[in-house]
Amino acid sequence: GAGVSQSPSNKVTEKGKDVELRCDPISGHTALYWYRQSLGQGLEFLIYFQGNSAPDKSGLPSDRFSAERTGGSVSTLTIQRTQQEDSAVYLCASSRDPEGGYTFGSGTRLTVV
Amino acid sequence: GEDVEQSLFLSVREGDSSVINCTYTDSSSTYLYWYKQEPGAGLQLLTYIFSNMDMKQDQRLTVLLNKKDKHLSLRIADTQTGDSAIYFCAEKTGRRALTFGSGTRLQVQP
Repeated sequence: GAGVSQSPSNKVTEKGKDVELRCDPISGHTALYWYRQSLGQGLEFLIYFQGNSAPDKSGLPSDRFSAERTGGSVSTLTIQRTQQEDSAVYLCASSRDPEGGYTFGSGTRLTVV
Repeated sequence: GEDVEQSLFLSVREGDSSVINCTYTDSSSTYLYWYKQEPGAGLQLLTYIFSNMDMKQDQRLTVLLNKKDKHLSLRIADTQTGDSAIYFCAEKTGRRALTFGSGTRLQVQP
């Protein structure tokens, strides 16, 4: 596609429920990244996929967070048993290669009530 | 570990120059970036500089890099109200994902 597409754009969920966030990267981009932006904060790195290599999961804050990337394209970030502190904007980005600049999606705003 | 720091807020008058500063700690950074985030939107890449350069100019934007002091700056000439946004610097080392600063909110007063 023309840009990085994320869905849903907004998600309100009850504490303890699981949520899935989706990211469609730019076609042909081999690298895909998930970041989290909390209110008034910078971007916190979560996870990074590069081609067929094992993902860099070093930023995932707890084992409630997981992500997968199917067929080297679409990625899903799953948060299990959501907590209020998970409320944030979840941003996905892709790049043609690891050295390239990132193109970001508009994000999914997650609110846990 | 790596760290990127920015001041939180900058206010300028329309037509003035804005200078947004950033410091980083990883001396092996290869690329340094500036991104712009407008309200409700994702981040937009503005410009980047390779670590063996000390200056890059692109229309109204000038990036200065002092590698010795690990200091990066973004100068916006003739700042307009449309430049009001949050500006993030980011550094890249090796094949790791970008590390971002916490962002500088630029407010342009008419």
